[in-house]
This record gives sequence, C-alpha cells and structure tokens, in this order.
Amino acid sequence: AQTVTQSQPEMSVQEAETVTLSCTYDTSENNYYLFWYKQPPSRQMILVIRQEAYKQQNATENRFSVNFQKAAKSFSLKISDSQLGDTAMYFCASRSPGAGSYQLTFGKGTKLSVIP
Amino acid sequence: DGGITQSPKYLFRKEGQNVTLSCEQNLNHDAMYWYRQDPGQGLRLIYYSQIVNDFQKGDIAEGYSVSREKKESFPLTVTSAQKNPTAFYLCASSIGTSTHTQYFGPGTRLTVL
Repeated sequence: AQTVTQSQPEMSVQEAETVTLSCTYDTSENNYYLFWYKQPPSRQMILVIRQEAYKQQNATENRFSVNFQKAAKSFSLKISDSQLGDTAMYFCASRSPGAGSYQLTFGKGTKLSVIP
Repeated sequence: DGGITQSPKYLFRKEGQNVTLSCEQNLNHDAMYWYRQDPGQGLRLIYYSQIVNDFQKGDIAEGYSVSREKKESFPLTVTSAQKNPTAFYLCASSIGTSTHTQYFGPGTRLTVL
C-alpha cells in the first residue's frame, strides 16, 4: 500500500516570495507517478504539476517546480513569485499503475496562505 | 467547453433516504472515479470504472452504489446504509487507468439533516 505524508498542515508566505511545501511518500513500486493538486476555496481540485518516477529531471510548470528525491522518497513543491491566487489547500498524491492500483493516494494537505 | 460537471452543488438529505449525485464528462475519457473528502483529510476513493458497464470498489465503498451505463456518465448513489454520509464528493476522470492524470469536477456537498 502507498502512503503520502504532508507534515505541514499550514503555511504562509508573503506575496512575491518563494515557498516550499513538503511531501514524503512510501511505495514498494518502482514505477509510479506523483502529483500536486491545488484546491482553492471553490473546492475544485486543480492539477498543478506531475512527475514520473522514472524521469530524473524535476518537473516545472511556470512558477511551480518540484524537487523530486527518489531515494529519499521526497517530492516537494516550490512556488516562486507567490500570488494571492495561490492561496489554497495543496495536496500531494501518488499513483502506481500496477495491477489493481488505479487510485490516487492523497496526503492530508497543506493550507497555504499568501499574504499581501 | 470540455470538462466534468457535477450536480447538484449542494444537496440535503434526510436520514434514511437514498440520494444520487450526478457526474458527467465530455472529455471522451474511459475511466471515472468517485472520491469522498472529509474536513482535514485527503481524498478517499469510493468507486472507479474503467469502461462502460464495469466498476470496482475503492477503499470506502460500503453504503454506496454506482452505475456506468454510458461512457459520459458515472452517477453515485448514497444509500441509507452509509453511516456518515455528510461530506464533499468529488468525481474525476482520466483517459485510462494506468498512467494518466485524473481531472476533477467541481464537487457536491452532501449534508444529512
């Protein structure tokens, strides 16, 4: 079974600054996928970024980037030039394409507040 | 516009009643999923479906039922057997089930009175 742990229930950052959200995971699979989802006050889950475990290069998506440390099973999200619209819950999730493993396993989330 | 729609946005139910939550997608995705979200928790999988007329239980399927008669639709019924149904319900879909990203609908907030 996979587990995902987000150790920071809440964080805050000044507008235009950089913040890093932590995530660790545990899986016995060799091939898996990692995701960061954002859930703003509207509560719709929005994909932020995705990383394939077999790729060594860290994924980036505009102001969002990850630091993927496979050996340490760590998958942190860095948000650069934080904007007020980044205020949201952020969920880390993992997925293994192995037989029967079709679900996303989510962490409990980190509530990020961007302060003007 | 392509996307996933869920209705209604808010739903109230009396104890002992069954209620059905709607989920529709026009993304031509094969796989669809239902998740439940409780305060302070991540999402937990209720049911998923890989193709029409086929679906599988997730981690917390007890008290719920689904159907998949059409590729576009995956309704979830919350039955009276579900002991604590008040929660936020999210539907998702993906191109397939193996490696593809899941995209989510806007959710339905169910409250049992």
